[in-house]
Amino acid sequence: DADVTQTPRNRITKTGKRIMLECSQTKGHDRMYWYRQDPGLGLRLIYYSFDVKDINKGEISDGYSVSRQAQAKFSLSLESAIPNQTALYFCATSDVDRGYGYTFGSGTRLTVV
Amino acid sequence: GEDVEQSLFLSVREGDSSVINCTYTDSSSTYLYWYKQEPGAGLQLLTYIFSNMDMKQDQRLTVLLNKKDKHLSLRIADTQTGDSAIYFCAESLTGNQFYFGTGTSLTVIP
Repeated sequence: DADVTQTPRNRITKTGKRIMLECSQTKGHDRMYWYRQDPGLGLRLIYYSFDVKDINKGEISDGYSVSRQAQAKFSLSLESAIPNQTALYFCATSDVDRGYGYTFGSGTRLTVV
Repeated sequence: GEDVEQSLFLSVREGDSSVINCTYTDSSSTYLYWYKQEPGAGLQLLTYIFSNMDMKQDQRLTVLLNKKDKHLSLRIADTQTGDSAIYFCAESLTGNQFYFGTGTSLTVIP
């Protein structure tokens, strides 16, 4: 099993719909992150959480919300999806081992039509 | 936010060495990283270096850090077709917030 699992892998949704992307990890890491990747823009941080009671906004949090249900689970929601939220979304975890370097999930490709 | 810059494309012949370069703006960065992304996959941490180091070697990978010029490079020796991917440089001051470059697409020509 993958260390960081994201579901779904692909999703097409309509403008205005609510959608949730889920992430679970078996690394035992406290720190979890959501990023989006757009061609030519690299990765941009949406939200991050350093433990179950800690939630922080990233660079581009508008239009998104998150929930840290447990140490191992961190979900990202789009309350009312819009086309410019079409992107590849990654969940990641980190800890002090490997210099806080990330372990990424395989990504969710989201298309909003 | 911090600015991390990389060239967009690099092509090398199989068996040659590849050198991927990165410049960053925050001289206080504590950690610097190289990630690899293969098509359809997430990013994979290749290696990292602390800012108090000048060089780190790990098998075919060599990372060089020039703090004065805020320049980081990744050298891949004996480049193979399986090394074709996008390579991302990233920096972090405290291990809390990370800043990624836009990635360098490496193409290995057989």
